[in-house]
Amino acid sequence: SQKIEQNSEALNIQEGKTATLTCNYTNYSPAYLQWYRQDPGRGPVFLLLIRENEKEKRKERLKVTFDTTLKQSLFHITASQPADSATYLCALDDGAGSYQLTFGKGTKLSVIP
Amino acid sequence: EPEVTQTPSHQVTQMGQEVILRCVPISNHLYFYWYRQILGQKVEFLVSFYNNEISEKSEIFDDQFSVERPDGSNFTLKIRSTKLEDSAMYFCASKLGRARETQYFGPGTRLLVL
Repeated sequence: SQKIEQNSEALNIQEGKTATLTCNYTNYSPAYLQWYRQDPGRGPVFLLLIRENEKEKRKERLKVTFDTTLKQSLFHITASQPADSATYLCALDDGAGSYQLTFGKGTKLSVIP
Repeated sequence: EPEVTQTPSHQVTQMGQEVILRCVPISNHLYFYWYRQILGQKVEFLVSFYNNEISEKSEIFDDQFSVERPDGSNFTLKIRSTKLEDSAMYFCASKLGRARETQYFGPGTRLLVL
């Protein structure tokens, strides 16, 4: 069955450092992959989408890579700030139908001042 | 910037009661979704809706659930006879078209079944 794993449930880093979050998947052949941010008690907020033919995508301090051979995406936040503290979710669609999303469990990032 | 809205933000109900959760998707979007998130767990797909009918549904979406788009703006999720295990955050999402695009999520309704 299809599976998405985000390796760390929690990640603590010092302010100013780069946070790197990992998403691995099995039994998928996604054409693209998405990253969302979720704050406690709130809905997921879209951050970045990367397509299979894009090795890397950037948006301000965010960078996503996508390796379809390794079946892995890395999500980086550079110059991290306490305001970046949240849970970050990796999401894939099922490749058919209405392209509903399957989410990983998320990595809770805490940026320590 | 347009956003998905949901009401109520919180709902407390007794087991066996019916609840209706309401969503107003982004106005020009055509695909609508409901997801739920049990406390501490993943966001899970429930159902998708397009052209006034269900497109896909998960195994969670059994006969006690129904969805409706009663007018041009609202999208509702009804749970006919709530169970304790229905307690969760329920998120509505919408997207512009069928293509593989970003889904925009609402803030959620926290449902507590006692």
